[in-house]
Amino acid sequence: DAGVIQSPRHEVTEMGQEVTLRCKPISGHNSLFWYRQTMMRGLELLIYFNNNVPIDDSGMPEDRFSAKMPNASFSTLKIQPSEPRDSAVYFCASSLKGSGPPYEQYFGPGTRLTVT
Amino acid sequence: AQSVTQPDIHITVSEGASLELRCNYSYGATPYLFWYVQSPGQGLQLLLKYFSGDTLVQGIKGFEAEFKRSQSSFNLRKPSVHWSDAAEYFCAVGARSGGYQKVTFGTGTKLQVIP
Repeated sequence: DAGVIQSPRHEVTEMGQEVTLRCKPISGHNSLFWYRQTMMRGLELLIYFNNNVPIDDSGMPEDRFSAKMPNASFSTLKIQPSEPRDSAVYFCASSLKGSGPPYEQYFGPGTRLTVT
Repeated sequence: AQSVTQPDIHITVSEGASLELRCNYSYGATPYLFWYVQSPGQGLQLLLKYFSGDTLVQGIKGFEAEFKRSQSSFNLRKPSVHWSDAAEYFCAVGARSGGYQKVTFGTGTKLQVIP
């Protein structure tokens, strides 16, 4: 398997522009996570999907952020409008949810977002 | 709610020396514990995990970790560090919450390896 695929790997945009980050989870995985990583705040969980349904979006910073998972093989994280403080590395991860313990999460390579 | 503390932000060790990275967790029930490694410019990769059973867990790249319930700790160890081990290491605790899985990551420990 190719692993979790994220695109783009790098994004530079101007304040106020819309940004869309994309993620393709590992085939067969039914859970998908979006994280944000910054020096100041570390790794933060933004939102978690299970079977394409958002389960916990309490980490989404504000209404400018939205995430969708239209099918099992694709998810997007959108920021509109973007602000300089949104600059961070955004990771997508997927795992297989079962009835037992939390399974390991497989992380993508991340998208480094810079908002100027 | 569960939480994880990694008290060391940055650690420097000489190549060939032993390594121990500290992790303390807080959780009311049996924790599910993980160690991940992040190399520069990459995503996190699982090193090892503990769910139950033997409290000494072996992982990839020669790492091991020991679960100590009495100390609420899950420290990561390696007997001899290689230059390629320079990376950031994250401890995480998982739990089932409201019918779904929630994994909480620590703030990470950055490891520098000197020749």
